[in-house]
Amino acid sequence: DIQMTQSPSSLSASVGDRVTVTCRASQSISNYLNWYQQKPGKAPKLLIYAASSLESGVPSRFSGSGSGTDFTLTIISLQPEDFATYYCQQSYSIPYTFGQGTKLEI
Amino acid sequence: QVQLVQSGAEVKQPGASVKVSCEASGYTFTGYYVHWVRQAPGQGPEWMARINPNTGATNYAQRFQGRVAVTRDTSITTVYMDLSRLRSDDTAVYYCARGKYNWNDFDYWGPGTQVTVSS
Repeated sequence: DIQMTQSPSSLSASVGDRVTVTCRASQSISNYLNWYQQKPGKAPKLLIYAASSLESGVPSRFSGSGSGTDFTLTIISLQPEDFATYYCQQSYSIPYTFGQGTKLEI
Repeated sequence: QVQLVQSGAEVKQPGASVKVSCEASGYTFTGYYVHWVRQAPGQGPEWMARINPNTGATNYAQRFQGRVAVTRDTSITTVYMDLSRLRSDDTAVYYCARGKYNWNDFDYWGPGTQVTVSS
């Protein structure tokens, strides 16, 4: 199985800040990397697919980059509604695996 | 609009089986995979299985092989996930999610079904 490792596991920031979350795959996954946001008690929400493609309806302050084994999610100008947990997920090979999550706190 | 509606919460004893349903609407049912993802309390999501509603072909995570079965009924655009020989560590929220054939990202999710395994 491909292991996905996120860092940091938690992050404190303020409204208006820029933050970056990193995800590393245990082997090359090309650009088969997706990012999700999850709020307590809710299903995950797709933000970014194919490493850098913004899902329809997602604000442009979210962006993704990377290929191979190293990927980043960047949020510029944090808004109050962005405080949540973020997960990366590889869709390169079955079983599709997720990172352990990054909790973004105020 | 795309909707995935799941069946209600379940409480099961160890060793029993559970069947969770996921009714899809608002899109061409046979045009996307349906995946099952579970999330144990305080943990990240864990992918379990997928089905191609067009062909009925399935893929399962190795760790669930022999315990999980995913089926579909195209006449009512519903997918089912059966998990047998339940253990306490199967207690989790079980989600169905739609996935693109070419990418396997999960762009729409059901609200989740709480399955609790307890004696």
